[in-house]
Amino acid sequence: SAVISQKPSRDICQRGTSLTIQCQVDSQVTMMFWYRQQPGQSLTLIATANQGSEATYESGFVIDKFPISRPNLTFSTLTVSNMSPEDSSIYLCSVRWDRQETQYFGPGTRLLVL
Amino acid sequence: LAKTTQPISMDSYEGQEVNITCSHNNIATNDYITWYQQFPSQGPRFIIQGYKTKVTNEVASLFIPADRKSSTLSLPRVSLSDTAVYYCLVGDIYNQGGKLIFGQGTELSVKP
Repeated sequence: SAVISQKPSRDICQRGTSLTIQCQVDSQVTMMFWYRQQPGQSLTLIATANQGSEATYESGFVIDKFPISRPNLTFSTLTVSNMSPEDSSIYLCSVRWDRQETQYFGPGTRLLVL
Repeated sequence: LAKTTQPISMDSYEGQEVNITCSHNNIATNDYITWYQQFPSQGPRFIIQGYKTKVTNEVASLFIPADRKSSTLSLPRVSLSDTAVYYCLVGDIYNQGGKLIFGQGTELSVKP
């Protein structure tokens, strides 16, 4: 298993600003992912964070809006840029080791955009 | 990635067995079936995974018929703390880049 922490745990932001969310894992992992969960909804995969290269985005998500970094095997950041109220969601990172079936999730960052 | 269909919500009482069925008619040969549990204000947590027949662990059992077009998560003797959303996911976990695609989930409410 893994201990995954996210910072901040929650934030209230003004529209037009940007917020960077950090995800830290207590051990090296093969894969890191970022998900969004809008109020009352299921989880939607935003992107796969690739170590040392550009993230792989899912349909409907673009790098300009959600830039992602992954400088090493234990850390990743997701930035929500030029925020609008529609970006109010919980953002979760998750990790997985190669050839393992289980994916572990962080506690999430609850974002409210006013 | 196979689409899944599960009931939006279910109600139960403490001590009862709860069975949540998931339909996945387009499941592929290499796909596994995985269930996650999510409590409010927490990230999802892995419960159980299987490929065929029956899988059991300390938390739940997973029943998969021979055609694999559906699966049933069985929670024995639920308690109030089992109130959560349960997600059924289907995919080739070893060869699809590790991506998990979540469906709508089943909101289970356990009452005293």
